[in-house]
Amino acid sequence: QSALTQPRSVSGSPGQSVTISCTGTSSDVGNLNYVSWYQQHPGKAPKVMIYDVTKRPSGVPDRFSGSKSGNTASLTISGLQAEDEGDYYCCSYVGSYTSVFGGGTKLTVL
Amino acid sequence: EVQFLESGGGLVQPGGSLRLSCEASRFTISRYAMTWVRQVPGKGLEWVSGISTSESSTNYAESVKGRFTISRDNSKNMVYLQMNSLRAEDTAVYYCAPYNSGWYFDFWGQGTLVTVSS
Repeated sequence: QSALTQPRSVSGSPGQSVTISCTGTSSDVGNLNYVSWYQQHPGKAPKVMIYDVTKRPSGVPDRFSGSKSGNTASLTISGLQAEDEGDYYCCSYVGSYTSVFGGGTKLTVL
Repeated sequence: EVQFLESGGGLVQPGGSLRLSCEASRFTISRYAMTWVRQVPGKGLEWVSGISTSESSTNYAESVKGRFTISRDNSKNMVYLQMNSLRAEDTAVYYCAPYNSGWYFDFWGQGTLVTVSS
C-alpha cells in the first residue's frame, strides 16, 4: 500500500491548462478503472472532481478532465481560474474495501 | 442534506485509546461500504480502514493494522473506529466516508481531530 506518486506542486496562469500526474503500479492505478481525484481547500473537506478515471460528478465544471495510461492517471484542468487553486489528491481503489491516496499536489494559480 | 458527523477525537497520551464515532444523517449506511481516512494537519490524505456493508470484511492500512478496529452498527446508522496503542504519528483529522458504488468518496464529514501527545 505505498502512496501514489504526485508532483508536489504545479502552477499556471489564469486561462492556461495544467496537468497533474498520479503514478502507481499494476496493483492499483494500472489494475482497475477506479481512480478518483479530490480538490481540497484549506480547512475544508475534500471534494470529488473526477471518478472512474474520466467521469465528472454533476456540478463539476467540464474544465476538469481525467485520463489514464498504464500505471499513470492524470487530471487536466483547462481554462484555469483563481478558484481552482488548492490541493489535489488522486486515489485508487485496489479492492477488498481498500484505497490508496497520492501524496497530494498543490496547485497555484499565478 | 446528507451529513456525516465524526466525534470522539481529543487529546490522548501515547499508548492510550480512543473510540471515534461517525453518525450519518439523511443517508442510509447499510447500503454502503464505509471507510475512515485521516489527514495529518498540513499533510496529505491517508486511507486508514474500510468495512463491508455487513461487517464481514474489514481492511486496514499497514500503519494501523493490529491497533485499530473498524466496526459498524447499521441499525444506528453509525460507524466506529477503535484506536488502541496510539502513537504520535496517529495525530490527524479523521474523516469517515462511504464508498460510492464507483468506489470513490462523494460525501465527507468535517472530521474529528485526534492529538496524541504527552
